[in-house]
Amino acid sequence: EADIYQTPRYLVIGTGKKITLECSQTMGHDKMYWYQQDPGMELHLIHYSYGVNSTEKGDLSSESTVSRIRTEHFPLTLESARPSHTSQYLCASSESLPRRSTGTYGYTFGSGTRLTVV
Amino acid sequence: KNQVEQSPQSLIILEGKNCTLQCNYTVSPFSNLRWYKQDTGRGPVSLTIMTFSENTKSNGRYTATLDADTKQSSLHITASQLSDSASYICVVSDRGSTLGRLYFGRGTQLTVWP
Repeated sequence: EADIYQTPRYLVIGTGKKITLECSQTMGHDKMYWYQQDPGMELHLIHYSYGVNSTEKGDLSSESTVSRIRTEHFPLTLESARPSHTSQYLCASSESLPRRSTGTYGYTFGSGTRLTVV
Repeated sequence: KNQVEQSPQSLIILEGKNCTLQCNYTVSPFSNLRWYKQDTGRGPVSLTIMTFSENTKSNGRYTATLDADTKQSSLHITASQLSDSASYICVVSDRGSTLGRLYFGRGTQLTVWP
């Protein structure tokens, strides 16, 4: 079972509103990520964090902002929502050290927030 | 350009049948390849992870293969069930940074009919 939680699962909001999408993980992972996914399309990285007080922009330009004040919490904020922000937003986290057996990092996704801006 | 291409885009099979999904990638330097299952409206769930030294990995009725020389992978699903209906995403990680950059395919949408 995933130990990474996103709220809300669904959100319909009016243009111009400020929103915050919540993401929390209980695995103690240092690295966390936000992805944006449109139907039938690949996931695009919009923000990532290596740890507390570390945030970076991803490959896809986004008007959203993130913060990382606590290890377990990585919220995403849109100051003024627009219809173009309508999408699914997925939060993920990855292990800090590679697994000894494979040398790979475990990667866990949340269930996502489906955002609709009207 | 690092890319991950999946085929087919969508697939419909009858319950109990087998199927194979394909993934071709150009990511370099290669670190590992993952297959994820994503149910509609949910986040992706890991099925298998393979490094360059592995050429097959199984997880129940799911078997993934990897040919690092031709940069191809496949996911074989045996005795399909209705619950297998989902999008299957191929994800390739590079070795170029500590972030372990992930490159995502667009997924194959599998529908299993009774």
